[in-house]
Amino acid sequence: GIQVEQSPPDLILQEGANSTLRCNFSDSVNNLQWFHQNPWGQLINLFYIPSGTKQNGRLSATTVATERYSLLYISSSQTTDSGVYFCAVYVDMRFGAGTRLTVKP
Amino acid sequence: ETGVTQTPRHLVMGMTNKKSLKCEQHLGHNAMYWYKQSAKKPLELMFVYNFKEQTENNSVPSRFSPECPNSSHLFLHLHTLQPEDSALYLCASSQEGGGLYEQFFGPGTRLTVL
Repeated sequence: GIQVEQSPPDLILQEGANSTLRCNFSDSVNNLQWFHQNPWGQLINLFYIPSGTKQNGRLSATTVATERYSLLYISSSQTTDSGVYFCAVYVDMRFGAGTRLTVKP
Repeated sequence: ETGVTQTPRHLVMGMTNKKSLKCEQHLGHNAMYWYKQSAKKPLELMFVYNFKEQTENNSVPSRFSPECPNSSHLFLHLHTLQPEDSALYLCASSQEGGGLYEQFFGPGTRLTVL
């Protein structure tokens, strides 16, 4: 089945810093989604982005399906951005292992 | 209620108990999913229901038994579980069609098996 790899596995930032999270996948996909899991376990939809670029406030995402990767950008990070970020591809409904982000005040 | 709801939010059960997890979606979607999230592991898809028909069962042990009486409700019946089944169980829904699969998740049920 398809492999989904996220990097880095852990990221510690100072409040106000910018960051880029990466999701690589091993085969063609036509559906990709980014989520933020808060400390209580709730998965919050960030982007549904099978291709192209989308922006929502301080967050943006880009998927280059032909090169099999997606990037999530977080600008001017805040402590409330802390949590685990997952990408999921809907071939085999496969999730990556996540990037654990800690934003320090 | 809006979105996807799950009850109970927390559940502690013994290995000989029988319990059920409930999921309800208020989004008018036609597909529902159960996922398991164990500590330090990626989310694992357990079951998929599309138009109330089970379309996927990812080699899940028979001690987990799903039920989808209609497109808005999904249950996961649990019996004779093992301590390694302790995990966060997440329900999701989506509107499938035209190649779209955007999923919306409930808050999860945190299950502890003693």
